[in-house]
Amino acid sequence: GAVVSQHPSWVICKSGTSVKIECRSLDFQATTMFWYRQFPKQSLMLMATSNEGSKATYEQGVEKDKFLINHASLTLSTLTVTSAHPEDSSFYICSATFLAGLAGGDEQYFGPGTRLTVT
Amino acid sequence: QKEVEQDPGPLSVPEGAIVSLNCTYSNSAFQYFMWYRQYSRKGPELLMYTYSSGNKEDGRFTAQVDKSSKYISLFIRDSQPSDSATYLCAMCSTLGRLYFGRGTQLTVWP
Repeated sequence: GAVVSQHPSWVICKSGTSVKIECRSLDFQATTMFWYRQFPKQSLMLMATSNEGSKATYEQGVEKDKFLINHASLTLSTLTVTSAHPEDSSFYICSATFLAGLAGGDEQYFGPGTRLTVT
Repeated sequence: QKEVEQDPGPLSVPEGAIVSLNCTYSNSAFQYFMWYRQYSRKGPELLMYTYSSGNKEDGRFTAQVDKSSKYISLFIRDSQPSDSATYLCAMCSTLGRLYFGRGTQLTVWP
């Protein structure tokens, strides 16, 4: 099956620093990538949808200047948490699909997640 | 009202038990229904995927969808300790945006 990787798997940083998380599709070209955030014992909440070569579409309530998303190639999307604060501590998960328009959720492949801890 | 409601549990059962996990939803536009399994601090793994109302079976897992009641279920037969995880339901319309439930934490004890 399709494989999606994320790096790093865990990052601890001090308040005020910026953190970049990478999401890569290893064996397919990802036309669309999604970024989710998951707080402990909570559901995955979609943050933004990114298509290769265009600006990301952010969900309501997600600050685009805070969470910078770059989908520069068909196999890589990055999420940068700028000026991170303790409330940004969460589990960030990406997913990727090779389809431009999803016919159903089974075509989304999830990465292993990145745990961000801001002290 | 949330799009998808799921009882977070926790649910604890003995090995060999039949487990029933459920979600309800409010958006009648949802057409695709998924169940994911998520181990602690890992990404979700797709378990079952259904489109229409009715049952779909895969080994020890059965997914059931009742669109008229806006209710979906996942049954696990002969549960094993390795089934201990958080189970998330998810659904989407033809636009593909996934809506997840909170997840139900399941523990199967030997």
